[in-house]
Amino acid sequence: NAGVTQTPKFRVLKTGQSMTLQCAQDMNHEYMSWYRQDPGMGLRLIHYSVGAGITDQGEVPNGYNVSRLKKQNFLLGLESAAPSQTSVYFCASSYPFSTDTQYFGPGTRLTVL
Amino acid sequence: KNQVEQSPQSLIILEGKNCTLQCNYTVSPFSNLRWYKQDTGRGPVSLTIMTFSENTKSNGRYTATLDADTKQSSLHITASQLSDSASYICVVSGRGSTLGRLYFGRGTQLTVWP
Repeated sequence: NAGVTQTPKFRVLKTGQSMTLQCAQDMNHEYMSWYRQDPGMGLRLIHYSVGAGITDQGEVPNGYNVSRLKKQNFLLGLESAAPSQTSVYFCASSYPFSTDTQYFGPGTRLTVL
Repeated sequence: KNQVEQSPQSLIILEGKNCTLQCNYTVSPFSNLRWYKQDTGRGPVSLTIMTFSENTKSNGRYTATLDADTKQSSLHITASQLSDSASYICVVSGRGSTLGRLYFGRGTQLTVWP
């Protein structure tokens, strides 16, 4: 049982390049989310999904797109990376009840030059 | 505006000592409050989840309290260990919420010195 895994762990991009961050969970969770974490700030929700094929915007969705074709995978895309997207990105998953524990992945550290 | 404020921003204590971290929130209506521990370079890990009707919950040396009337919570760490050095994050969920209504504090950075 691997829990929540994220790939890659680190990535450096040039401004304007695109990339996809991958997240996978093996706990059969319905809910999955993408957060970004910047120094001195709390985790901020980018996009989330309540099931395969269902996604919605969070607090800071601009510049990102998501895809959840299968229940166990949630992808975060950056179409044209900007330096403001330099951050650490975390994926999380949980069952649907509000008191259920959220499990976080180890994070992806992205630098945009 | 729904907000979660944590104090202190950072804290240094000696190994073996106790400490208390604070969380004040303005989220309404309230559903539950969570405390997470985040080690450097890793994702957050859940310590406790408390609903409106719970006023204390323990997880080993960690004890969380909740006063829903004053909208305050605290996390008490007993007999601190070097491995307790981490950021502790308070998260509040609004009632009827989906994942879009989790409000995160900025965390308290705890350092435990030998």
